[in-house]
Amino acid sequence: QKEVEQNSGPLSVPEGAIASLNCTYSDRVSQSFFWYRQYSGKSPELIMSIYSNGDKEDGRFTAQLNKASQYVSLLIRDSQPSDSATYLCAEYLRGANNLFFGTGTRLTVIP
Amino acid sequence: NAGVMQNPRHLVRRRGQEARLRCSPMKGHSHVYWYRQLPEEGLKFMVYLQKENIIDESGMPKERFSAEFPKEGPSILRIQQVVRGDSAAYFCASSPSANSNQPQHFGDGTRLSIL
Repeated sequence: QKEVEQNSGPLSVPEGAIASLNCTYSDRVSQSFFWYRQYSGKSPELIMSIYSNGDKEDGRFTAQLNKASQYVSLLIRDSQPSDSATYLCAEYLRGANNLFFGTGTRLTVIP
Repeated sequence: NAGVMQNPRHLVRRRGQEARLRCSPMKGHSHVYWYRQLPEEGLKFMVYLQKENIIDESGMPKERFSAEFPKEGPSILRIQQVVRGDSAAYFCASSPSANSNQPQHFGDGTRLSIL
């Protein structure tokens, strides 16, 4: 069973809209979560991290964590064409030494 | 450049040859992680190292793959007798500690192609 599940998409939103990316996880000892953005052929770039239940906002990005329902999401407000990329959700398990990644959701923002 | 440095960016090898991938962590980071990304798939953990020590190699194939992080110099991921299935992007990440709240920062990766 996969530790982290993401909708593979692709997800298309018009410019200026809110993009909603979701991730579910199965392991209850997950400690922290990270959202990375990866442009085609490039390295994953850290966007947000979240450790506690609730919302965390940083500019146009909001990460949401719900440990009871075991999901974490990323909202991108006022989406821009430059936000078009694959977004990777990753979890850090207690006692583990590495991140577990989902397969990513490809987002396209249409001008 | 204070980021994670990987080289080469692209590496082409013929089946049976050896591939050596290098990674220099960010300044001040002593924890190095190697991940492999197959086309259209997520990143899969391979190995976690600190200086001169392999801490966790649970994600690394038992045969042909090895990794090191010497006292001096970059971390090396070595693949012996490469096969077509080794073609992938190999990413290195580093962090200042193993604390779960410390994010890992990634290098630009090495794209390995096996002919």
